[in-house]
This record gives sequence, structure tokens and C-alpha cells, in this order.
Amino acid sequence: DTEVTQTPKHLVMGMTNKKSLKCEQHMGHRAMYWYKQKAKKPPELMFVYSYEKLSINESVPSRFSPECPNSSLLNLHLHALQPEDSALYLCASSQDQVLRPQHFGDGTRLSIL
Amino acid sequence: QKEVEQNSGPLSVPEGAIASLNCTYSDRGSQSFFWYRQYSGKSPELIMSIYSNGDKEDGRFTAQLNKASQYVSLLIRDSQPSDSATYLCAVNPSGNTGKLIFGQGTTLQVKP
Repeated sequence: DTEVTQTPKHLVMGMTNKKSLKCEQHMGHRAMYWYKQKAKKPPELMFVYSYEKLSINESVPSRFSPECPNSSLLNLHLHALQPEDSALYLCASSQDQVLRPQHFGDGTRLSIL
Repeated sequence: QKEVEQNSGPLSVPEGAIASLNCTYSDRGSQSFFWYRQYSGKSPELIMSIYSNGDKEDGRFTAQLNKASQYVSLLIRDSQPSDSATYLCAVNPSGNTGKLIFGQGTTLQVKP
């Protein structure tokens, strides 16, 4: 078990669907991250929130929309995804955005039909 | 382009041996260094952080950092089959962005 909780663990959706991934941490961390990981590849950073503000967007397509409602929650809204978006989506948090280690949740395995 | 390089392996060691995993990085101003373990189908798990030159030990794990050579390593003593996983080296480069640069990972196989 990790201290970063992600839901759902698995998600299958069609290309026209809208869904959201959720992430929650109660460690008092002020930086939260979304990563995408394909098989046998390292995680790729998508977004960073620091003190509830978006600080990094790694040129992610607009069909992915992040949201940070408060310091403990991070959402990733999905719309009109493509089959190549199928991957493991990881949320991570760290004490702050600088130097501190990031702690990952268990991830959401996303499949796009 | 800031890069982190690891040998993809697989690195195969017998049970009880020392496994040595290596990582080099290109950004000389990098300040923090992490090792993550990732089992197949699971998420990365932080196992070591190191910030200054030298060795840092935690149980069977020792992280070694040499900033002059831009080299960080992970030693696993008394390797167990349960250590079989992919080990990801991650570096926090200069610029204080918080962005981690990951290596491609080294697959370790510990044979009973």
C-alpha cells in the first residue's frame, strides 16, 4: 500500500468517452505530479502542480486536462482519447517541488478501445 | 538535453551476491538523486535518495554518488529473488524545476 491513492485502478473507455482519474495524498505534500508510463519505458512527466498551481505542462495534448481542487487532491480529466493513450497513469507527490523525492501511487491502468 | 543513462540489462546475479547498478547523468548541476524499484505491472517505489558525495546505506542497499564523475550507483548486498525488478535511476537537474529525469531502467534478475 502507498500513501498516494489513485482511483480507479483500471479503466477501459471508448474514444468518445469522458472520464476522470483521481489522486489523493494526506502527507501534507505541496507538489503533485501526473506521469504516463508505457510498457518497458520510464515514466514520462505530464503535469506538475506546486501549491495548487500548475507549474509545468510538458506540452501535453488538450485531451488531457489536469485539475487540483485542493492541496490533497489531483484529478486528470480525459476526453476524446486515442488508442496510443493507453498506458499506466501515475500520480506522485513530494514535500515540495524542489529536491525532495517523489512518492508514487499504484497507478491507473488505462485502455482506450 | 539533460540525460540519464543506465544499462538496460538484464543484469543477472546469483542469490546472495552483490548486485551493482550504475547510472550516469549529463547535467553537472544536478542536486538530488533517487533510485526507484519497479516490479512488473506495478508503480515505482522509492528505495534510496542521495544528495551529497559519498555512500549512503539503508539495510541491504547502498547508494554511491560521485558528482565529479557524474555517476551514481546502487549496490544490493545479499541479493534475493524478491529483488528481481527494474531499477530506475532518477535525477533532479539544475534549475530547481522539480522535474525528474529518469534513466531507461536496469532489469535485475536474481537467480536462486
